[in-house]
Amino acid sequence: GAVVSQHPSRVICKSGTSVKIECRSLDFQATTMFWYRQFPKQSLMLMATSNEGSKATYEQGVEKDKFLINHASLTLSTLTVTSAHPEDSSFYICSAADGGIVQYFGPGTRLTVT
Amino acid sequence: AQSVAQPEDQVNVAEGNPLTVKCTYSVSGNPYLFWYVQYPNRGLQFLLKYITGDNLVKGSYGFEAEFNKSQTSFHLKKPSALVSDSALYFCAVTWSGGRRALTFGSGTRLQVQP
Repeated sequence: GAVVSQHPSRVICKSGTSVKIECRSLDFQATTMFWYRQFPKQSLMLMATSNEGSKATYEQGVEKDKFLINHASLTLSTLTVTSAHPEDSSFYICSAADGGIVQYFGPGTRLTVT
Repeated sequence: AQSVAQPEDQVNVAEGNPLTVKCTYSVSGNPYLFWYVQYPNRGLQFLLKYITGDNLVKGSYGFEAEFNKSQTSFHLKKPSALVSDSALYFCAVTWSGGRRALTFGSGTRLQVQP
């Protein structure tokens, strides 16, 4: 149980374009989903927290107009990187919680912006 | 503000020997502590958590962790290491009054030699 999927696993896009990453909880309802960013050989940095049906809460320093988060249902959250630039290249990981204290993580999406 | 410190970038241990991966934390209220493991190009897998109760917490794959309030530590342990335990381990914390977003340590790479 408690499986979280992400799609795509890898994406390459050109600078200036937008890319959408999906995060799904497969076998439970996720009242809260979190988006993290992980740089090579570094820890995870929380970008934002989203609750189903409400606006996401962004961490300080994260541009909400650049990283659009939608949590339209209890099993799906999306992160859209708008007008991507090479510095946005990273490993993006989502997690989901069913109202409990444990977060279950997706496998991550590697974004490369050329 | 909450923080987590993992003082060792890498821990090397021989197969069959006991292992310890260190973690200390700082939070405003009662801590909720977690250990996750990450294999290459994969998301984080939940190992164990401490919320309240017994200071010794048992988790997946034979791992356990000991909560020490006076030392603000939550070290991960295993009595007998396996080569397959080689991975990146993250300690994370949130607290009883927080909004459940996790703060991660910098990670410790465990290398188990045959």
